[in-house]
Amino acid sequence: DVKVTQSSRYLVKRTGEKVFLECVQDMDHENMFWYRQDPGLGLRLIYFSYDVKMKEKGDIPEGYSVSREKKERFSLILESASTNQTSMYLCASSRVGVPSYEQYFGPGTRLTVT
Amino acid sequence: QQQVKQSPQSLIVQKGGISIINCAYENTAFDYFPWYQQFPGKGPALLIAIRPDVSEKKEGRFTISFNKSAKQFSLHIMDSQPGDSATYFCAARNGNRDDKIIFGKGTRLHILP
Repeated sequence: DVKVTQSSRYLVKRTGEKVFLECVQDMDHENMFWYRQDPGLGLRLIYFSYDVKMKEKGDIPEGYSVSREKKERFSLILESASTNQTSMYLCASSRVGVPSYEQYFGPGTRLTVT
Repeated sequence: QQQVKQSPQSLIVQKGGISIINCAYENTAFDYFPWYQQFPGKGPALLIAIRPDVSEKKEGRFTISFNKSAKQFSLHIMDSQPGDSATYFCAARNGNRDDKIIFGKGTRLHILP
């Protein structure tokens, strides 16, 4: 079974803090993604990566950055957390060569910024 | 601009009934249309997907119907069960743009026992 794990299920941070969200997948997938999920807005793509040290902006990258130093690990960084970044963050991975809609998601990190 | 419009936002169906969720799109570059199912506390999981050259795809109690000319597609859950209670997302893949997946806003389905 594909397993995508996220470092925290719940996280509470203060405005202005630097926040790191970690994601690890154990199936040697090339592609990794970060989404945020908000009620009534669905899933919105923040950043994605098709290879180590490679990153591409998604639809809402402002206020975020990412790091992919190893194939299995994809980190989302909030440089200076703000209250409007309170959300559920979902990491996903997929293999090259299969349709890109076959993404495997982690359980999510619910981040609250106060 | 929302590229995949999903309705309804929430749906309540009696056990044994048919649950129907509808989606519409505009972008003709979309080349795959997956549906994801998400249970509380879990990430979304791929349920079923369809290509635009197919009008219907069935997997067990789940059926996708696709109307290419109307740019609409729908998920039908036959004999709905309480265990089907979840949030469902329709989505579309943009074959011309890094294969990104565009998600609808989701439908929260509740099946009454």
